[in-house]
Amino acid sequence: DAMVIQNPRYQVTQFGKPVTLSCSQTLNHNVMYWYQQKSSQAPKLLFHYYDKDFNNEADTPDNFQSRRPNTSFCFLDIRSPGLGDAAMYLCATSRAGGGHNEQFFGPGTRLTVL
Amino acid sequence: AQRVTQPEKLLSVFKGAPVELKCNYSYSGSPELFWYVQYSRQRLQLLLRHISRESIKGFTADLNKGETSFHLKKPFAQEEDSAMYYCALSAYGGATNKLIFGTGTLLAVQP
Repeated sequence: DAMVIQNPRYQVTQFGKPVTLSCSQTLNHNVMYWYQQKSSQAPKLLFHYYDKDFNNEADTPDNFQSRRPNTSFCFLDIRSPGLGDAAMYLCATSRAGGGHNEQFFGPGTRLTVL
Repeated sequence: AQRVTQPEKLLSVFKGAPVELKCNYSYSGSPELFWYVQYSRQRLQLLLRHISRESIKGFTADLNKGETSFHLKKPFAQEEDSAMYYCALSAYGGATNKLIFGTGTLLAVQP
C-alpha cells in the first residue's frame, strides 16, 4: 500500500542533544510537510518542501531544520532540543497543483526530551 | 489572522443521537475548509472537504460564510464514530496551500 512512514515511532533524547526524525513516502507526492503537535493543541506547520524548494513558517524556531535529499525522504533535525520541544511530530505529503490537495499523514513520532 | 476555532474539547453522545461538531474560522480570502479525523491508534486522515459537498460515513458539513462556520453533522451517531475530529482551513502558503488546524474535538459515542 502506498503510504507515509515515520521512523522511529518513539524517540527519546537528552536536553541539547541533536536528534533527527525521518519520514518516507511511497506516494510519489511532490510536497512534504512537517507538523508539530503538542498535547491538546492543534497540529502546527513547521515547514514544507515543494519538490526541492524549502518553505519555512515565519514562527518556526531556528532550532528546527529540514532536509529532503530526494522525493521519497524528508528529515526533521532538531539541533538542540529543549524540554519545550517534546511533542508529536507529524509528516504529511500531498500532490501540489490546482488548489488544495488532500494531505496524507504518517503515524507520527513522539519525541521525549529528558 | 487565519484561525480555526473548535470550542468543544470533548463531545459525548449516546449511540443514535444527533451529532454536531462546531468549527468557526477566520480568513480574509475565499476559504477552503476540511474535516480531518483520527481514530484510535490510526493516523490523521481526510474525512471531507466543503468543495465536494459530499456525505462521508453519514457526516456532512456546510460552509456558512455569513457565520464563518463549518460545522460537522451526523443525524445518528454510531460507536465507530468515536474519534478525534479536526477542522482545518487551507491557506495559500507560497507555492502550495497549507493547512491551519483547530485544536480538535474528541467525539465519544456511548453505547
